[in-house]
Amino acid sequence: QKEVEQNSGPLSVPEGAIASLNCTYSDRGSQSFFWYRQYSGKSPELIMFIYSNGDKEDGRFTAQLNKASQYVSLLIRDSQPSDSATYLCAALYGGATNKLIFGTGTLLAVQP
Amino acid sequence: DAGVTQSPTHLIKTRGQQVTLRCSPKSGHDTVSWYQQALGQGPQFIFQYYEEEERQRGNFPDRFSGHQFPNYSSELNVNALLLGDSALYLCASSFLGNLNNEQFFGPGTRLTVL
Repeated sequence: QKEVEQNSGPLSVPEGAIASLNCTYSDRGSQSFFWYRQYSGKSPELIMFIYSNGDKEDGRFTAQLNKASQYVSLLIRDSQPSDSATYLCAALYGGATNKLIFGTGTLLAVQP
Repeated sequence: DAGVTQSPTHLIKTRGQQVTLRCSPKSGHDTVSWYQQALGQGPQFIFQYYEEEERQRGNFPDRFSGHQFPNYSSELNVNALLLGDSALYLCASSFLGNLNNEQFFGPGTRLTVL
């Protein structure tokens, strides 16, 4: 059973702080990893993807991947109340199809 | 450039009925994947269509079926609806030749089964 696990939260951080969201995955065959943001009642929105070990930065967001530890994280710098949402981590399983396996998501609450 | 579109937005059905959901992918995309998201859960993969064929399906019964048309749009059909089928149904669009395999979601269809 291929799994992606996340702490459901809520993770509460003050405005301006760094929010750190974490994810682990079970299948070493996973090729790429994606972070989606989902506001309540809306569909997931792609924030970032990462497929190489190390860090990848895009604006206030940094994704980190450690394949040896099967660990993915998302850092949000200078957190804003508008960042309050559920963050979904997904692993891509390739081969015959490119399907995403999602975690249950972490609810982030940024306090003004 | 229109993004992924889905219709209808909301749907209310009763147990035993059948439903058809529709999806149009982003311009330039050729692959459509369908996901079911129950309340408080992450999306679960139902199946994926490319070149009008189902490439793989997740752990969903045969009551769930689909189709892809020559213009890359897709339909998801669910027969003999159960209360447990109530969920947000998401369509994700991608381009198979994209090595990054990014998938972009439509707004979803909220299905309620009474």
